Amino acid sequence: GESVGLHLPTLSVQEGDNSIINCAYSNSASDYFIWYKQESGKGPQFIIDIRSNMDKRQGQRVTVLLNKTVKHLSLQIAATQPGDSAVYFCAERPHSGYSTLTFGKGTMLLVSP
Amino acid sequence: NAGVTQTPKFQVLKTGQSMTLQCAQDMNHNSMYWYRQDPGMGLRLIYYSASEGTTDKGEVPNGYNVSRLNKREFSLRLESAAPSQTSVYFCASSEGTNTEAFFGQGTRLTVV
Repeated sequence: GESVGLHLPTLSVQEGDNSIINCAYSNSASDYFIWYKQESGKGPQFIIDIRSNMDKRQGQRVTVLLNKTVKHLSLQIAATQPGDSAVYFCAERPHSGYSTLTFGKGTMLLVSP
Repeated sequence: NAGVTQTPKFQVLKTGQSMTLQCAQDMNHNSMYWYRQDPGMGLRLIYYSASEGTTDKGEVPNGYNVSRLNKREFSLRLESAAPSQTSVYFCASSEGTNTEAFFGQGTRLTVV
């Protein structure tokens, strides 16, 4: 819940703006990446994923960009709504032979009406 | 179709007590996971089960044990709870290890 957000980077936007949430990942061999959204008091929810053979993937109102050169992942949310307010986590999966995800610490998105 | 169900949702333990957190999924997933979430720390993997019959340690396994009871159920046991285990615990499952994980609603555990 709200305790998840303590000491997290925070992005504050106005309703209708486009939001960009960034994530630097650690392992250059990671081949699979996911963005999760976590609302207060709930478990993380899958938003979108991307594999390392792609640079960009689009979903409904969301786009994920992957820059393997600088090990950077971003989540773009178009026309941000108050319901988008949450903590957003990126997760990476190191290359084959390691079957679990490693999560970043998260970014809190606050959307003002 | 409930997805991933965790019980209980809230629990308060005294130091030294034991308890088991239950998790069940109805998506016929092969892999299941237990994470803990602490403020500012993100999600850290405690144990996982890549498939029925196997379990492996994650990043922070000390003080915990797990049982993959069958394909649906994966339990987490604290044998002797410590205040450092105060956290929110999430169970998750995935079809395979190369697909997204689906999370339960969490168990908020306080050890006093």
